[in-house]
Amino acid sequence: ELKVEQNPLFLSMQEGKNYTIYCNYSTTSDRLYWYRQDPGKSLESLFVLLSNGAVKQEGRLMASLDTKARLSTLHITAAVHDLSATYFCAVVPNTGTASKLTFGTGTRLQVTL
Amino acid sequence: NAGVMQNPRHLVRRRGQEARLRCSPMKGHSHVYWYRQLPEEGLKFMVYLQKENIIDESGMPKERFSAEFPKEGPSILRIQQVVRGDSAAYFCASSPSQGFPAFFGQGTRLTVV
Repeated sequence: ELKVEQNPLFLSMQEGKNYTIYCNYSTTSDRLYWYRQDPGKSLESLFVLLSNGAVKQEGRLMASLDTKARLSTLHITAAVHDLSATYFCAVVPNTGTASKLTFGTGTRLQVTL
Repeated sequence: NAGVMQNPRHLVRRRGQEARLRCSPMKGHSHVYWYRQLPEEGLKFMVYLQKENIIDESGMPKERFSAEFPKEGPSILRIQQVVRGDSAAYFCASSPSQGFPAFFGQGTRLTVV
């Protein structure tokens, strides 16, 4: 069974600080997604990472994928309060149903003033 | 182009009643996925459907749950004889084909009292 683990589960950080969220998964996969979820809302797609070494950046967020280590990171640079949300990574294994996402446990990020 | 539409947004059912959740995929999307999110947890895959076919139902509970995606009309997730443990947010996602990133709807929050 594919397992996807994120850490930390909860992160409280001050505005202006940097931090990294980690996503480990237990099977071979070349496709990994990062989503953001605000309380009571749906999931907003942030990044799609499709190959080893992929790196994508959008504003203060940067995501990377290392398929050999089965690890993805979501790096936050100079955090602002608007980034407060829960962040999920999700993996599609190389075998099995394409597009079937297995989600991580989520990281709840709280950015304080 | 409207996004993935789910209704109702909130649904309250008494134990033993039936719950019907509807999902209209994005225009041009023929692949639908249902996920369940328990409080404070990540999303868990339930079922993957194409028009008139169930492709993968490996995440569906064996009893009381069923899903369909008819030729005409929305996809329906049906829960018979609901129990308190069914209380969760149910998200639908759609994509134009396998392997394509899926877009999520706003979710239906089911509360069983």
